[in-house]
Amino acid sequence: NAGVTQTPKFRILKIGQSMTLQCAQDMNHNYMYWYRQDPGMGLKLIYYSVGAGITDKGEVPNGYNVSRSTTEDFPLRLELAAPSQTSVYFCASSYGGGGAVNEQFFGPGTRLTVL
Amino acid sequence: DAKTTQPPSMDCAEGRAANLPCNHSTISGNEYVYWYRQIHSQGPQYIIHGLKNNETNEMASLIITEDRKSSTLILPHATLRDTAVYYCIVRGLGSGNTPLVFGKGTRLSVIA
Repeated sequence: NAGVTQTPKFRILKIGQSMTLQCAQDMNHNYMYWYRQDPGMGLKLIYYSVGAGITDKGEVPNGYNVSRSTTEDFPLRLELAAPSQTSVYFCASSYGGGGAVNEQFFGPGTRLTVL
Repeated sequence: DAKTTQPPSMDCAEGRAANLPCNHSTISGNEYVYWYRQIHSQGPQYIIHGLKNNETNEMASLIITEDRKSSTLILPHATLRDTAVYYCIVRGLGSGNTPLVFGKGTRLSVIA
């Protein structure tokens, strides 16, 4: 299994440009998440999904959109890039089979700079 | 979910045990303690979790005090590859799949 994969690894955007960060998992996990991490800080949740066709906002959703048309993929869309969106973006997934722990598996991250 | 407090940084000599403390004085009876770590520039990685009993796996041990208000993650023989930020997270029993709430964690530096 490849686990959670993210593309691209790095990207530089100009203010006002748009882009989609790709995330895919091959573990048949129901739950998927997008986090962002600013320098020296913990991760903050942007959006998450409990299954195909279902998404919900996290702590910092403004400026982002998501869709979940398949179990495997959970892309994150930036419509009008702003310098405040310069960050490292992590995608994660978990099984969703219930119980106290459903380990979240994280991708390697996408480092985005908006100039 | 209960709030956690961790020291911002710690050093540990290679080969020695690393003991990372976490305070969670407002933890409620159905909340678990989880530990994740983040090695530089990588995504976080699950380490261990516990409710009230001490737990051990191939990566670490988790010691939870009897009153459950604090816990300690122990890396028994720290190596340079254990240098990372360690996050202590408290989550409720029914929130196994809810998003994780990360604080700033403890930056552990293992020194040769």
